[in-house]
Amino acid sequence: QKEVEQNSGPLSVPEGAIASLNCTYSDRVSQSFFWYRQYSGKSPELIMSIYSNGDKEDGRFTAQLNKASQYVSLLIRDSQPSDSATYLCAVNAGGTSYGKLTFGQGTILTVHP
Amino acid sequence: GAGVSQSPSNKVTEKGKDVELRCDPISGHTALYWYRQSLGQGLEFLIYFQGNSAPDKSGLPSDRFSAERTGGSVSTLTIQRTQQEDSAVYLCASSAAGSQHFGDGTRLSIL
Repeated sequence: QKEVEQNSGPLSVPEGAIASLNCTYSDRVSQSFFWYRQYSGKSPELIMSIYSNGDKEDGRFTAQLNKASQYVSLLIRDSQPSDSATYLCAVNAGGTSYGKLTFGQGTILTVHP
Repeated sequence: GAGVSQSPSNKVTEKGKDVELRCDPISGHTALYWYRQSLGQGLEFLIYFQGNSAPDKSGLPSDRFSAERTGGSVSTLTIQRTQQEDSAVYLCASSAAGSQHFGDGTRLSIL
């Protein structure tokens, strides 16, 4: 079993719809969770971090964390073509703020006009 | 500069040669990380520095790989006797408190 798994995708949604990206992790002691966006040929860009159970909202993005289910998700509301990218879920494996990140394989999102 | 700076942006070298990749983190960031991203393997952790020491180097794939950091700032990743499987994008990230910010990476191609 992979340490961090993401829904395989690719995911295609129409412009204006909600895109839902999911991630599960295997290490129960994980404490910090991140979503990165990566455009083709570019480096990962941090878009959300979440540390506590529940929802965290930032503009059109909402991260949801459920530690009991070892599940973290990212919702993108009012999806735009510019949101088309690969979304990477990352988990801090060491349980501290400075530990290494373990990444999922990524979900490719396409938002079509 | 405002972000993490990596050089060179692209490196093409022959199998068996040594290469050095450089990372200049965001000013004031004490933590520095090296990752590797290749097709089919995703983004893999290589090594983590806190200041000049490396408390976690568990991701280095072989003893051909080494890294150092001096002055709590610039880091160099060295790959000796390169092999074709070393071809990848090598990414550096730095952080001050939790969130890691990535540089643009070095695309390494081994002929």
